[in-house]
Amino acid sequence: DTEVTQTPKHLVMGMTNKKSLKCEQHMGHRAMYWYKQKAKKPPELMFVYSYEKLSINESVPSRFSPECPNSSLLNLHLHALQPEDSALYLCASSRETGGIQETQYFGPGTRLLVL
Amino acid sequence: GQQLNQSPQSMFIQEGEDVSMNCTSSSIFNTWLWYKQDPGEGPVLLIALYKAGELTSNGRLTAQFGITRKDSFLNISASIPSDVGIYFCAGLNAGNNRKLIWGLGTSLAVNP
Repeated sequence: DTEVTQTPKHLVMGMTNKKSLKCEQHMGHRAMYWYKQKAKKPPELMFVYSYEKLSINESVPSRFSPECPNSSLLNLHLHALQPEDSALYLCASSRETGGIQETQYFGPGTRLLVL
Repeated sequence: GQQLNQSPQSMFIQEGEDVSMNCTSSSIFNTWLWYKQDPGEGPVLLIALYKAGELTSNGRLTAQFGITRKDSFLNISASIPSDVGIYFCAGLNAGNNRKLIWGLGTSLAVNP
């Protein structure tokens, strides 16, 4: 089973709203990722959690706040977003072997529209 | 940031034709991954390559990890309409097993 699930599938929010994106995996993976993807572009890395600790923040604005409650769950809290934040937000996970062969598996994404 | 050189950028082919796309880099990679993405969906892993020279198949798909560790190709044989989508290559450098380096994608259209 290589399934990563994400909710919601679609989200429309105003610039003053607070919302959260959720991601779950049951593959026993210990690394989880958030990506942002614009149309026809490759995904851009935002955050990486390793063993439930934030290990990489790619200089993401503070209006995006990640959280990893446990090894299976990853959240992305959104607050005071801008229209240019509209994108497909992808979650991914990998085994975190500490070496090579670290393959990332992606969820279906949340399509976010900020009005 | 660093990017892989992926070509071609787009392809328009007839159903039944074979397809080939490739990615090159100026630096060495330890892992090459090929993903397919449908509109509005997440990337789906097609093939993962971990050793220089490795040739791996997945149904009608075949991919190879270049012997120099700086390139990889993906072939699709006997294309069908559901092969339509964007194909991305991605790689991992030595010493960095988390930050994927991506190609810009190959958009494939199949004419039935």
